[in-house]
Amino acid sequence: DAGVIQSPRHEVTEMGQEVTLRCKPISGHNSLFWYRQTMMRGLELLIYFNNNVPIDDSGMPEDRFSAKMPNASFSTLKIQPSEPRDSAVYFCASSLGADQPQHFGDGTRLSIL
Amino acid sequence: DQQVKQNSPSLSVQEGRISILNCDYTNSMFDYFLWYKKYPAEGPTFLISISSIKDKNEDGRFTVFLNKSAKHLSLHIVPSQPGDSAVYFCAARSGSRLTFGEGTQLTVNP
Repeated sequence: DAGVIQSPRHEVTEMGQEVTLRCKPISGHNSLFWYRQTMMRGLELLIYFNNNVPIDDSGMPEDRFSAKMPNASFSTLKIQPSEPRDSAVYFCASSLGADQPQHFGDGTRLSIL
Repeated sequence: DQQVKQNSPSLSVQEGRISILNCDYTNSMFDYFLWYKKYPAEGPTFLISISSIKDKNEDGRFTVFLNKSAKHLSLHIVPSQPGDSAVYFCAARSGSRLTFGEGTQLTVNP
């Protein structure tokens, strides 16, 4: 079974650049979640979608962050412009329903220099 | 405001013994609790869960206990195996939102 697939696994870029993280949820899952993990704040929810519609984006740090889900099998998280404090591991997760256990991808380790 | 706390950053146990990981929460609106296991360079993997209407759920070597009055849950692993060495996160759900604890690094020594 293919799990949640995230790309790239690692991203290193200079501040000010646009960063796009990608996620393919498990087929048939209708809920998708983006998380960020840092040493200071742990694992925190950024945004989640249900049936491709953003339901709760209260965790998105600021306007530099945006997320889209154009179809049931693809989502992006974009940071523009990126800053060093955005350095973190970003996880995508999906679930059969919003109240079902979430299955996580292996994350994207983002470093902004 | 840390609504879910795992006060022990690390725990070390001998193979074959019991591992007990603890988690405390403050929000009475949480209605479902989960434990995830995480290996380095991988995403968290769902392990076991419990509804707030229950006080115990068991799955093989893993048992989760919930004490609602104390707002406390624990994960018991028995017997512990070296392959159980990982970071364990507890998570609490309110609506569709999960709030995670900081994690506890479990090391099981052969």
